[in-house]
Amino acid sequence: QSVLTQPPSASGTPGQRVTISCSGSSSNIGSNTVNWYQQLPGTAPKLLIHNHNQRPSGVPDRFSGSKSGTSASLAISGLQSEDEADYYCAAWDDSLNGWVFGGGTKLTVL
Amino acid sequence: EVQLVESGGGLVQPGGSLRLSCAASGFTFSSYSMNWVRQAPGKGLEWVSYISTTSTTIYYADSVKGRFTMSRDNAQNSLYLQMNSLRDEDTAVYYCARGLGYPGVPDPWGQGTMVTVSS
Repeated sequence: QSVLTQPPSASGTPGQRVTISCSGSSSNIGSNTVNWYQQLPGTAPKLLIHNHNQRPSGVPDRFSGSKSGTSASLAISGLQSEDEADYYCAAWDDSLNGWVFGGGTKLTVL
Repeated sequence: EVQLVESGGGLVQPGGSLRLSCAASGFTFSSYSMNWVRQAPGKGLEWVSYISTTSTTIYYADSVKGRFTMSRDNAQNSLYLQMNSLRDEDTAVYYCARGLGYPGVPDPWGQGTMVTVSS
């Protein structure tokens, strides 16, 4: 059971906008920044969004993040086939003194 | 270019030990915190351990506390994870990841090394 809660799956058609939610608590999302990772099949996770809504160099602006209270969300606009991957949210947890991850959301591009 | 290369994985019996290494290059290793994160086959990501730049602060997930020891050698640009009393549930790909900012957002990650605990 993951500390952060994500829906196990999401889907959309090319060009659509999809959002993935991430729910936590006051000790993690509520008091720290949220980060999002993309994991393509057979590869290591890649940082997609950090500090709630900052994109590392090279990440398209189709990807955006937001946070409200103890929840966060990742939005992907103009969905493309290459966006098909697993997406994970992550935040530092002050009570556990460690990083906590969501269970992951498998995004399917129909 | 930042490179992190893990090694030391393999097959080990329950109760056994294994030492993972992570060789870092392309950045000033001593200036960054580091993390170990694992992923069991077909499962999600699980953070394992964090170490600060000078090793003064080390944190562990409850699932490995008392069994795993994380360390680093800044002179050798290397990170280690000593794993003792291994259990079936420790079977996973183990990734080392550089810590970005505070409190060390894991980024980037190495390619991972597979650890299989089985009799």
